[in-house]
Amino acid sequence: DVKVTQSSRYLVKRTGEKVFLECVQDMDHENMFWYRQDPGLGLRLIYFSYDVKMKEKGDIPEGYSVSREKKERFSLILESASTNQTSMYLCASSELDRLSNQPQHFGDGTRLSIL
Amino acid sequence: GNSVTQMEGPVTLSEEAFLTINCTYTATGYPSLFWYVQYPGEGLQLLLKATKADDKGSNKGFEATYRKETTSFHLEKGSVQVSDSAVYFCALRGYNTDKLIFGTGTRLQVFP
Repeated sequence: DVKVTQSSRYLVKRTGEKVFLECVQDMDHENMFWYRQDPGLGLRLIYFSYDVKMKEKGDIPEGYSVSREKKERFSLILESASTNQTSMYLCASSELDRLSNQPQHFGDGTRLSIL
Repeated sequence: GNSVTQMEGPVTLSEEAFLTINCTYTATGYPSLFWYVQYPGEGLQLLLKATKADDKGSNKGFEATYRKETTSFHLEKGSVQVSDSAVYFCALRGYNTDKLIFGTGTRLQVFP
């Protein structure tokens, strides 16, 4: 089974702090994704990466950056946390194989609170 | 651009009732369609998928048919159980992209 592991289930930080959310997958997937989930808004894509050191902006990249130095690890960085970044953050991974429509596999999420 | 619209919840049902959660989409070309489920405290899991018109995806008693003429992918189950209580997300992947576009999610609550 594919395993996507997010480093923290719950995290509390203060406004202005630099925050790192870590995600590791164990299936050698090329693609990795970061979403935030908010009530009434569903999942919105922040960034995704299709290879080491490659990244693309999603729908809501403002205030975030990402790092992918190794294939299995994809980090989301909040450069200077703000209260409107309080949310549930979900990481996902998938194979780079659009023809077979392989699904994205999700971690259990990190609930981040910015005080 | 591409988008997904699904019915607002919560949907509240008694055990063994029939379930329908509506999902419609807007897309160019021929998208693939998915239903994901999120149980309390967990991430999303793929429930079923359909990759072309008239395909029917099915899993765990749930079904959805890809209807191109009505641009719909409604989720159905004939007899729900308490354990089906979760949030259900309809999603679309456009042609030649790995990105998914999600609906807002529908919470299902099943009571004994």
